[in-house]
Amino acid sequence: DQQVKQNSPSLSVQEGRISILNCDYTNSMFDYFLWYKKYPAEGPTFLISISSIKDKNEDGRFTVFLNKSAKHLSLHIVPSQPGDSAVYFCAASQGSGGGADGLTFGKGTHLIIQP
Amino acid sequence: DSGVTQTPKHLITATGQRVTLRCSPRSGDLSVYWYQQSLDQGLQFLIQYYNGEERAKGNILERFSAQQFPDLHSELNLSSLELGDSALYFCASSSGADLYEQYFGPGTRLTVT
Repeated sequence: DQQVKQNSPSLSVQEGRISILNCDYTNSMFDYFLWYKKYPAEGPTFLISISSIKDKNEDGRFTVFLNKSAKHLSLHIVPSQPGDSAVYFCAASQGSGGGADGLTFGKGTHLIIQP
Repeated sequence: DSGVTQTPKHLITATGQRVTLRCSPRSGDLSVYWYQQSLDQGLQFLIQYYNGEERAKGNILERFSAQQFPDLHSELNLSSLELGDSALYFCASSSGADLYEQYFGPGTRLTVT
């Protein structure tokens, strides 16, 4: 039973345009969501996160939106750059305070930025 | 560079054998997490240690065990290895202040033949 789903295995976007990566979750106990970026032969790199008490969080070119009622979050990258080409993982946590538990990851979306 | 180190980078071993993977967390981080990434399952949480104590368990098999030492480095022990254990094993760490953001090492690729 996959609790975090990324339904698009890959996404191709032109350089300079907006990239929108989507993620759905089924566990209503999740209260913190994160996006990670992964290049080949490297570990995932933390990108941006959002708490369930917010519906938007911005950091430079990256914005994450959370729709709790739809159990859906999205990552917007504007403008997209060639270095953004990577696999993006959505992750969720049921933090209990005093230290997070393990993250539940989606299977990833491979973003390809076309020149 | 996340500051998390893992050794070895690659490991090739035979079925039935036992291996130990090592992880050093970022300086000051008290939590260490282990994840397995296989082709069909994606990244799966295995186990978490916090300041030397086991804190959370995920989809970890009984043949696998882990520990965190007083210097906060951690080891993941995999025994009676099967072909299906071939995967990338990642370690991540987090500090007490950053409760949710976890920082990942480069991984150990295990191949069981």
